[in-house]
Amino acid sequence: QVQLQESGPGLVKPSETLSLTCTVSGGSISRNYWNWIRQTPGERLEWIGNIFLSGSTNYNPPLKSRLTMSMDTSKNQFSLKLNSVTAADTAVYYCARGFGSCSGTSCSNYLDFWGQGALVIVSS
Amino acid sequence: DIQMTQSPSSLSASVGDRVTITCQASQDISNYLNWYQQKPGKAPKLLIYDASNLKTGVPSRFSGSGSGTHFTFAISSLQPEDIATYFCQQYDDLPLTFGGGTKVEIK
Repeated sequence: QVQLQESGPGLVKPSETLSLTCTVSGGSISRNYWNWIRQTPGERLEWIGNIFLSGSTNYNPPLKSRLTMSMDTSKNQFSLKLNSVTAADTAVYYCARGFGSCSGTSCSNYLDFWGQGALVIVSS
Repeated sequence: DIQMTQSPSSLSASVGDRVTITCQASQDISNYLNWYQQKPGKAPKLLIYDASNLKTGVPSRFSGSGSGTHFTFAISSLQPEDIATYFCQQYDDLPLTFGGGTKVEIK
């Protein structure tokens, strides 16, 4: 069973950088693709972005200018850095595995394993 | 971005009732839609993928249907352990987007 665990500071000051790491166990990070999603206090889910083994990334446009994702296959981890944070970045941050497959003209794509979530508060 | 509109935002039903949630996409997404269940304090859990396929191990009282822009999620007989918030999510295009959620409570 694949398991994911987020880690990082729970409190970040405004204008500083939010850094989180997701450690994957029970499966290799070399397969599938890896996502970050956040959930605001109003409980809305926002996809932040994803990263593939090749190093290619997709970022949600509103966050793109402040966002960096990376992977460390030797540690089976992937990471998120979001700079110049404000109170609007306060949220529970989840990492999740993305599974995609195609058969003929039919494709499936879903987030099948999630971490438990890490609350990050932006405050001075 | 593809907007996903879920309704209702909350509902209250009795144990054994049939519960239905709808999700409307702002453009045609074929069947590229997933449904997740989130219990309080927990991460979302995948229930249904590709609009109507039940993930292995998920009880058969859960079901999904639809294609194009209109989708439906149903619980055929509500159980106490189904108390949760349910989200739809499209993967037709990036960015991935989620519906606003439907909070299901027991009457």
